[in-house]
Amino acid sequence: EPEVTQTPSHQVTQMGQEVILRCVPISNHLYFYWYRQILGQKVEFLVSFYNNEISEKSEIFDDQFSVERPDGSNFTLKIRSTKLEDSAMYFCASTRRGTDEQYFGPGTRLTVT
Amino acid sequence: GDSVTQMEGPVTLSEEAFLTINCTYTATGYPSLFWYVQYPGEGLQLLLKATKADDKGSNKGFEATYRKETTSFHLEKGSVQVSDSAVYFCALSKGSTLGRLYFGRGTQLTVWP
Repeated sequence: EPEVTQTPSHQVTQMGQEVILRCVPISNHLYFYWYRQILGQKVEFLVSFYNNEISEKSEIFDDQFSVERPDGSNFTLKIRSTKLEDSAMYFCASTRRGTDEQYFGPGTRLTVT
Repeated sequence: GDSVTQMEGPVTLSEEAFLTINCTYTATGYPSLFWYVQYPGEGLQLLLKATKADDKGSNKGFEATYRKETTSFHLEKGSVQVSDSAVYFCALSKGSTLGRLYFGRGTQLTVWP
């Protein structure tokens, strides 16, 4: 069964550094999302992406965040200058046309020190 | 705004016990409702969904009924197994393909043999 994959599974970085989290959505899916979960808190929506542009973003997704689909298979989330409060589990999701069922990857745990 | 409130965990049960995890929502319009499950080390997996009032979603022995009058979508299973140990998330979407998911905090379920 096809699945969403994410790399790395765990990323440790120093405050102020740039990080890129990578996702490979399911191959025939067209809609992509990033969510995050700070430890002990809700899973929160960050951004949705379709047709090579952002469709919607939350108030969390400020100028420090960007997303890109650099080729036909990858979908990336970049944080330009990480803060301690960016430490969280980041989930990528994708869905195909005509449904609101989102398929999630296993997540990347980002630790900012 | 749109939100999901989910029963606090953790929940600890013996094998074959009855499970209920409460979920209530606040939303305008007619949201779709979901339960996702996260097994250790894995991503969020869609467990079941319901798209309109009085619909019952079911999968793997789990059930949940969309109750508009009580704005609830409680998850139930008649006889849990050790393999059901996981974190369960209630979520809603506004029904469009690009719509964000709004999640509850998640409930950790541990089932003992």
